[in-house]
Amino acid sequence: AQKVTQAQTEISVVEKEDVTLDCVYETRDTTYYLFWYKQPPSGELVFLIRRNSFDEQNEISGRYSWNFQKSTSSFNFTITASQVVDSAVYFCALSETNDYKLSFGAGTTVTVRA
Amino acid sequence: DAGVIQSPRHEVTEMGQEVTLRCKPISGHNSLFWYRQTMMRGLELLIYFNNNVPIDDSGMPEDRFSAKMPNASFSTLKIQPSEPRDSAVYFCASTIHREGNEQFFGPGTRLTVL
Repeated sequence: AQKVTQAQTEISVVEKEDVTLDCVYETRDTTYYLFWYKQPPSGELVFLIRRNSFDEQNEISGRYSWNFQKSTSSFNFTITASQVVDSAVYFCALSETNDYKLSFGAGTTVTVRA
Repeated sequence: DAGVIQSPRHEVTEMGQEVTLRCKPISGHNSLFWYRQTMMRGLELLIYFNNNVPIDDSGMPEDRFSAKMPNASFSTLKIQPSEPRDSAVYFCASTIHREGNEQFFGPGTRLTVL
């Protein structure tokens, strides 16, 4: 069963628009960890953020913000005032208790047009 | 500090040939992961090591794939014999072994098997 679902395959926006990426996860564990990674056109995977299941505080880092809601099993990511450099594939991932691997979603391709 | 180093960055080979991918984790990291990325299957874990010992190899597709970690600073992923369906980007990642820690990825090796 898919543990992480990113329903949006592609999103295209014009520069300065906000864009929100959805991530829904599935786990039976009470302790788990959620991540977002960015994969720019150059291909590397860049770590953006980690949250644990006990910390539902939303987080803001510059133009990036994350909304974690256990009630809906979602960990959504918003880019405010998007820029062309934000164009990339964004992956949401889950790590469960005593399981150190990352289970990735299918990714959402974000294209920001000038 | 250097990140995770992978070599080669690109590999083109013919079906039936042996392929060896190499990875040097970040110094001080004691867990190492090999992932494969394809359009069809996305990012999937092949194997991971902790303190140079393979812990979970359930993602290794078949006996043609093997991985070793002879010391803390080097790992190899070998495919013998290679097949066209092995064409993918292979990522190595490392972290300090602790539940929920973020993994840091190398630039990947793009493998093409003709």
